[in-house]
Amino acid sequence: DAGVIQSPRHEVTEMGQEVTLRCKPISGHDYLFWYRQTMMRGLELLIYFNNNVPIDDSGMPEDRFSAKMPNASFSTLKIQPSEPRDSAVYFCASSLSTPYEQYFGPGTRLTVT
Amino acid sequence: AQTVTQSQPEMSVQEAETVTLSCTYDTSESNYYLFWYKQPPSRQMILVIRQEAYKQQNATENRFSVNFQKAAKSFSLKISDSQLGDTAMYFCAFMKGSQGNLIFGKGTKLSVKP
Repeated sequence: DAGVIQSPRHEVTEMGQEVTLRCKPISGHDYLFWYRQTMMRGLELLIYFNNNVPIDDSGMPEDRFSAKMPNASFSTLKIQPSEPRDSAVYFCASSLSTPYEQYFGPGTRLTVT
Repeated sequence: AQTVTQSQPEMSVQEAETVTLSCTYDTSESNYYLFWYKQPPSRQMILVIRQEAYKQQNATENRFSVNFQKAAKSFSLKISDSQLGDTAMYFCAFMKGSQGNLIFGKGTKLSVKP
């Protein structure tokens, strides 16, 4: 299996621009998670989906962040407008059936200048 | 709210030696899972080992084993015969029941020296 695929691997953008991060989960997995990793806050869950439906978005920092999962093989995390404090590594993870073994993608390093 | 604490920001060990990484957690839940994830310099998060709270037997995966002390809310990771490839950040994580929210500790940076 190809594993969880994320794109782009690196993104540099200017403050105020829209940023879209993409994720393709492992085929057959029905849970998908978005995490953010920063030096200050560590790893934190932003949102997760089950069968394409958002289950818990309490970790989404504010209205500038939105996530969608239009089908079982694709999800996006959008930040509009982006701010320097959004600079972080964003991970997507997926799991099969039960949510307790999560497989992570390689992450997207976002830098907002 | 659940919390996960890793009290050792950095550790080092000689190749072939054994090292133990500490983790404590706080929860009032009875049904939960505990994990250790490894993050090498490539930043890929890799599951090392998993423990179900209802199991008394400590989990083992090859050179990796845990010491799960439920009453003390302690979940340490022992790495035997350390290898250079074990150099990485190690994160302890907690999950309540069958929910999806992994709560991570701040991590321990492990360096294996030749």
